[in-house]
This record gives sequence, structure tokens and C-alpha cells, in this order.
Amino acid sequence: DADVTQTPRNRITKTGKRIMLECSQTKGHDRMYWYRQDPGLGLRLIYYSFDVKDINKGEISDGYSVSRQAQAKFSLSLESAIPNQTALYFCATQSPSTETGELFFGEGSRLTVL
Amino acid sequence: AQSVAQPEDQVNVAEGNPLTVKCTYSVSGNPYLFWYVQYPNRGLQFLLKYITGDNLVKGSYGFEAEFNKSQTSFHLKKPSALVSDSALYFCAVRDKQTGTYKYIFGTGTRLKVLA
Repeated sequence: DADVTQTPRNRITKTGKRIMLECSQTKGHDRMYWYRQDPGLGLRLIYYSFDVKDINKGEISDGYSVSRQAQAKFSLSLESAIPNQTALYFCATQSPSTETGELFFGEGSRLTVL
Repeated sequence: AQSVAQPEDQVNVAEGNPLTVKCTYSVSGNPYLFWYVQYPNRGLQFLLKYITGDNLVKGSYGFEAEFNKSQTSFHLKKPSALVSDSALYFCAVRDKQTGTYKYIFGTGTRLKVLA
């Protein structure tokens, strides 16, 4: 099983619908991130959390919200989806044991908003 | 502001030839630098990182990268390319300045290795 699991892997929805993307991890890491990937733009940070009680906005948080339900779970919500939120979304974790630690990514959730 | 640039959207190289994927950065102080690879329909995978010390860093799958402080570059290299190396490559820098430990990613370079 993957260390970082994202569900759903693919989702097509309509403008105005509420969408939740879920992420769970078995790595035991405290730090979790949500990124958005768009062609030609690379990865942009939406939200990040360093522990269960810590939520921080990234560079493109407008239109998104998150919930850190447990150390292992970090969900991303789109309250009212719009077409320009069509993208590939990645959850990632990072060990805090060293500030130089790399990120571990899930397989991605491809969201299409019609 | 912190930033990372990957000047080439795509790099084509023949199998068996050496490859280079370029990355330059702009950060305050000393950077932590990373390379990740993304295969089709997969998440990003860590390849290698520079923290301190030797400017030549060796990583997974025979890749290496050279840190050049004067040129603020961290180019990814491999002596002999394989068709299976074809993927999307991302350079990233760790933002130490603010203390938040956020990563800044480049826009990615697509590597195509031709048989």
C-alpha cells in the first residue's frame, strides 16, 4: 500500500458543487501539504499543516479550505467549485526530524470542474 | 523574493548521451535544493538534495546534481540517458529565510530520451 493515499484519484464535477479531496498517510509524519499542479506553472502551495492544531495558508488558498482531522488525515475542500480550479492536486508529507527533509507525495487527484 | 527557474520546458536527448536539466534559484542566505521526478500518472518522487558540503550530489537512478553558488545554479545531470528517464523533472528550493520550511518549485522540465 502507498504511504500517502489520495482519494478520489479522478473526479468530474459541475460549477458550484462542493468537493472534498482526502489524504491519508502511514508515514507518521506531522507535516502535511496540499499542492496544485497546472501545466507550465509547476506546483503551487494551497495549505499546509505542521500538526493537528496547526493550519496555514499557502500562496493560493482562496476558494479552498482544509481540515486536519488527525495526524494521518488532511482533507482539502472546494466549497463552490469553479472551472479554473480544474487541476491536478497533490498531498505531501514531510518528516520534521530534520529541516532538510524531502517531501513524500501521493499519486494525485485529478479534478475537472465543468 | 525566493524563486526557482527552470529555463527549458523540454529537453530532448538521445539514449546513451549525457543529459543536463537546468535550474537556477534566488534565495536569501544558503539554500536547500532538491530535485524531484514525476512519471506519467504518478506523484513526484524525490531524486536528490543539496544541504551543505560537497557541491556534487549523487542521487537515485544514477542522477547527480552540481551546486554552483556563484552562478546560483543546481543543474541535474546523468552521464548516460535511458529511455526510462523520460519524465517531468522539478527543481525545488527550501525557504529557510522565513522559518516556515515551505518549498518553492520550478515550473518543471520535460525530459524526452529518444531511442
